[in-house]
Amino acid sequence: DTAVSQTPKYLVTQMGNDKSIKCEQNLGHDTMYWYKQDSKKFLKIMFSYNNKELIINETVPNRFSPKSPDKAHLNLHINSLELGDSAVYFCASSGGLGTDTQYFGPGTRLTVL
Amino acid sequence: EDQVTQSPEALRLQEGESSSLNCSYTVSGLRGLFWYRQDPGKGPEFLFTLYSAGEEKEKERLKATLTKKESFLHITAPKPEDSATYLCAVNTGGGNKLTFGTGTQLKVEL
Repeated sequence: DTAVSQTPKYLVTQMGNDKSIKCEQNLGHDTMYWYKQDSKKFLKIMFSYNNKELIINETVPNRFSPKSPDKAHLNLHINSLELGDSAVYFCASSGGLGTDTQYFGPGTRLTVL
Repeated sequence: EDQVTQSPEALRLQEGESSSLNCSYTVSGLRGLFWYRQDPGKGPEFLFTLYSAGEEKEKERLKATLTKKESFLHITAPKPEDSATYLCAVNTGGGNKLTFGTGTQLKVEL
Protein backbone atom coordinates (compact mmCIF):
# COMPACT_ATOMS: atom_id res chain seq x y z
CA ASP A 1 0.00 0.00 0.00
CA THR A 2 1.39 3.38 -1.02
CA ALA A 3 1.46 5.82 1.91
CA VAL A 4 2.20 9.10 0.12
CA SER A 5 1.74 9.12 -3.64
CA GLN A 6 2.37 11.79 -6.25
CA THR A 7 1.42 12.20 -9.88
CA PRO A 8 2.97 12.56 -12.31
CA LYS A 9 6.40 11.04 -11.67
CA TYR A 10 7.93 13.07 -14.51
CA LEU A 11 6.75 16.34 -16.00
CA VAL A 12 8.41 17.98 -18.99
CA THR A 13 6.98 21.26 -20.21
CA GLN A 14 7.77 24.53 -21.94
CA MET A 15 8.49 27.86 -20.28
CA GLY A 16 5.36 29.87 -19.68
CA ASN A 17 3.04 26.90 -19.30
CA ASP A 18 0.88 26.15 -16.25
CA LYS A 19 1.09 22.72 -14.62
CA SER A 20 -0.14 20.88 -11.54
CA ILE A 21 1.27 18.13 -9.37
CA LYS A 22 -1.05 16.02 -7.25
CA CYS A 23 -0.37 14.41 -3.88
CA GLU A 24 -2.43 11.98 -1.84
CA GLN A 25 -1.74 10.28 1.49
CA ASN A 26 -3.58 7.32 2.99
CA LEU A 27 -1.96 7.51 6.41
CA GLY A 28 -4.79 9.44 8.01
CA HIS A 29 -2.42 12.35 8.68
CA ASP A 30 -3.60 15.90 9.34
CA THR A 31 -0.60 17.77 7.93
CA MET A 32 0.86 17.79 4.43
CA TYR A 33 3.87 19.54 2.94
CA TRP A 34 5.54 20.47 -0.32
CA TYR A 35 9.35 20.47 -0.60
CA LYS A 36 11.63 21.40 -3.49
CA GLN A 37 14.92 19.55 -4.07
CA ASP A 38 17.33 21.40 -6.34
CA SER A 39 20.06 20.06 -8.59
CA LYS A 40 22.46 19.96 -5.63
CA LYS A 41 20.03 17.72 -3.75
CA PHE A 42 19.20 20.45 -1.21
CA LEU A 43 15.71 19.91 0.17
CA LYS A 44 13.74 23.01 1.19
CA ILE A 45 10.21 23.38 2.47
CA MET A 46 7.74 25.41 0.43
CA PHE A 47 4.33 25.00 2.08
CA SER A 48 2.48 23.07 4.71
CA TYR A 49 -1.23 22.56 5.33
CA ASN A 50 -2.92 21.32 8.47
CA ASN A 51 -6.54 20.19 8.08
CA LYS A 52 -6.79 22.19 4.85
CA GLU A 53 -5.41 25.35 6.50
CA LEU A 54 -2.17 26.94 5.24
CA ILE A 55 0.42 26.86 8.02
CA ILE A 56 3.82 27.38 6.40
CA ASN A 57 4.36 29.59 3.36
CA GLU A 58 8.06 30.05 2.77
CA THR A 59 9.52 32.63 0.42
CA VAL A 60 8.09 31.11 -2.73
CA PRO A 61 7.03 33.04 -5.84
CA ASN A 62 3.28 33.56 -5.93
CA ARG A 63 3.26 31.61 -9.21
CA PHE A 64 3.18 28.59 -6.90
CA SER A 65 -0.21 27.95 -5.36
CA PRO A 66 -0.99 24.98 -3.15
CA LYS A 67 -4.54 23.71 -2.86
CA SER A 68 -5.89 21.27 -0.30
CA PRO A 69 -9.36 19.97 -1.21
CA ASP A 70 -9.35 17.72 1.86
CA LYS A 71 -6.80 16.65 4.43
CA ALA A 72 -5.71 13.62 2.36
CA HIS A 73 -4.81 15.68 -0.69
CA LEU A 74 -2.46 18.57 -1.35
CA ASN A 75 -1.93 19.73 -4.90
CA LEU A 76 0.63 22.18 -6.24
CA HIS A 77 -0.23 24.42 -9.15
CA ILE A 78 2.51 26.36 -10.88
CA ASN A 79 1.76 29.23 -13.26
CA SER A 80 4.02 30.67 -15.94
CA LEU A 81 6.76 28.11 -15.49
CA GLU A 82 10.36 29.30 -15.61
CA LEU A 83 13.63 27.47 -16.25
CA GLY A 84 14.57 27.86 -12.58
CA ASP A 85 11.51 25.89 -11.52
CA SER A 86 13.16 22.71 -12.80
CA ALA A 87 13.66 20.50 -9.75
CA VAL A 88 12.25 17.50 -7.95
CA TYR A 89 9.17 18.30 -5.89
CA PHE A 90 8.33 16.12 -2.91
CA CYS A 91 5.10 15.87 -1.02
CA ALA A 92 5.17 14.73 2.61
CA SER A 93 2.70 14.18 5.42
CA SER A 94 2.79 13.95 9.20
CA GLY A 95 0.34 13.22 11.96
CA GLY A 96 0.32 16.77 13.29
CA LEU A 97 2.19 20.00 13.82
CA GLY A 98 4.39 18.96 16.73
CA THR A 99 7.57 17.06 16.11
CA ASP A 100 5.77 14.40 14.16
CA THR A 101 7.78 12.43 11.65
CA GLN A 102 7.25 13.48 8.05
CA TYR A 103 6.82 10.74 5.47
CA PHE A 104 7.76 11.58 1.92
CA GLY A 105 6.31 10.67 -1.45
CA PRO A 106 8.39 9.43 -4.39
CA GLY A 107 8.82 12.87 -5.94
CA THR A 108 7.92 14.55 -9.23
CA ARG A 109 10.79 15.54 -11.48
CA LEU A 110 9.82 18.76 -13.27
CA THR A 111 11.84 19.84 -16.30
CA VAL A 112 11.12 23.21 -17.86
CA LEU A 113 12.49 23.67 -21.38
CA GLU B 1 18.62 31.55 11.05
CA ASP B 2 18.68 27.80 11.59
CA GLN B 3 21.62 26.07 9.89
CA VAL B 4 22.44 22.42 9.34
CA THR B 5 25.81 21.30 7.99
CA GLN B 6 26.63 17.74 7.06
CA SER B 7 30.06 16.25 6.53
CA PRO B 8 31.62 14.74 4.61
CA GLU B 9 29.76 15.53 1.39
CA ALA B 10 30.72 12.13 0.05
CA LEU B 11 32.16 9.00 1.62
CA ARG B 12 33.41 5.83 0.03
CA LEU B 13 33.81 2.76 2.24
CA GLN B 14 34.78 -0.82 1.74
CA GLU B 15 32.26 -3.39 2.87
CA GLY B 16 32.74 -3.94 6.60
CA GLU B 17 34.62 -0.64 7.10
CA SER B 18 32.79 1.23 9.87
CA SER B 19 32.54 5.02 9.85
CA SER B 20 30.49 8.00 11.02
CA LEU B 21 28.59 10.79 9.32
CA ASN B 22 28.34 14.17 11.02
CA CYS B 23 25.48 16.65 11.26
CA SER B 24 26.23 19.97 12.95
CA TYR B 25 23.42 22.36 13.70
CA THR B 26 22.89 25.93 14.86
CA VAL B 27 19.31 26.51 15.90
CA SER B 28 17.37 28.71 18.28
CA GLY B 29 15.60 25.83 19.94
CA LEU B 30 15.86 22.20 18.89
CA ARG B 31 12.61 20.24 19.04
CA GLY B 32 13.89 17.21 17.20
CA LEU B 33 16.65 16.03 14.89
CA PHE B 34 15.76 13.64 12.09
CA TRP B 35 17.83 11.30 9.94
CA TYR B 36 16.57 10.19 6.53
CA ARG B 37 17.98 7.95 3.85
CA GLN B 38 17.44 8.83 0.18
CA ASP B 39 18.06 6.42 -2.67
CA PRO B 40 18.48 7.78 -6.23
CA GLY B 41 15.16 8.68 -7.80
CA LYS B 42 13.21 8.14 -4.57
CA GLY B 43 11.86 10.17 -1.70
CA PRO B 44 13.59 10.44 1.68
CA GLU B 45 12.94 7.45 3.93
CA PHE B 46 12.69 8.07 7.67
CA LEU B 47 15.36 6.49 9.88
CA PHE B 48 15.49 8.12 13.32
CA THR B 49 14.31 11.00 15.49
CA LEU B 50 16.40 12.27 18.39
CA TYR B 51 15.03 14.79 20.86
CA SER B 52 17.63 15.49 23.54
CA ALA B 53 21.38 15.45 24.07
CA GLY B 54 22.66 12.03 25.06
CA GLU B 55 19.90 10.18 23.26
CA GLU B 56 20.87 7.24 21.02
CA LYS B 57 18.85 5.10 18.62
CA GLU B 58 19.80 2.00 16.65
CA LYS B 59 18.48 0.16 13.64
CA GLU B 60 20.40 -2.74 12.15
CA ARG B 61 23.87 -1.41 11.25
CA LEU B 62 22.96 2.23 11.97
CA LYS B 63 23.22 4.11 15.25
CA ALA B 64 22.34 7.77 15.70
CA THR B 65 23.58 9.90 18.58
CA LEU B 66 22.90 13.50 19.61
CA THR B 67 24.83 16.18 21.48
CA LYS B 68 23.92 19.84 21.99
CA LYS B 69 25.68 20.86 18.80
CA GLU B 70 25.78 17.83 16.53
CA SER B 71 24.53 14.40 15.66
CA PHE B 72 26.41 11.41 14.37
CA LEU B 73 25.17 8.54 12.27
CA HIS B 74 27.46 5.60 12.93
CA ILE B 75 27.51 2.83 10.35
CA THR B 76 28.91 -0.47 11.58
CA ALA B 77 30.20 -3.06 9.10
CA PRO B 78 28.34 -1.47 6.16
CA LYS B 79 27.10 -3.44 3.18
CA PRO B 80 26.67 -2.28 -0.42
CA GLU B 81 22.92 -1.93 0.16
CA ASP B 82 23.68 0.84 2.68
CA SER B 83 24.81 3.02 -0.23
CA ALA B 84 22.55 6.08 -0.34
CA THR B 85 22.45 9.77 0.54
CA TYR B 86 21.86 10.34 4.24
CA LEU B 87 20.02 13.52 5.15
CA CYS B 88 19.88 15.24 8.51
CA ALA B 89 17.11 17.70 9.40
CA VAL B 90 16.18 19.79 12.43
CA ASN B 91 12.76 20.73 13.68
CA THR B 92 12.69 24.03 15.49
CA GLY B 93 8.94 24.39 15.75
CA GLY B 94 6.93 26.77 13.61
CA GLY B 95 4.47 24.27 12.24
CA ASN B 96 6.73 21.22 12.21
CA LYS B 97 9.10 22.89 9.76
CA LEU B 98 12.17 20.82 8.89
CA THR B 99 15.45 22.45 7.88
CA PHE B 100 17.64 19.99 5.99
CA GLY B 101 21.38 19.67 5.53
CA THR B 102 22.84 19.00 2.10
CA GLY B 103 23.41 15.33 2.82
CA THR B 104 26.25 12.83 2.78
CA GLN B 105 26.46 10.57 -0.25
CA LEU B 106 27.67 7.17 0.96
CA LYS B 107 28.98 4.46 -1.35
CA VAL B 108 29.89 1.06 0.05
CA GLU B 109 31.98 -1.13 -2.22
CA LEU B 110 32.66 -4.86 -2.17
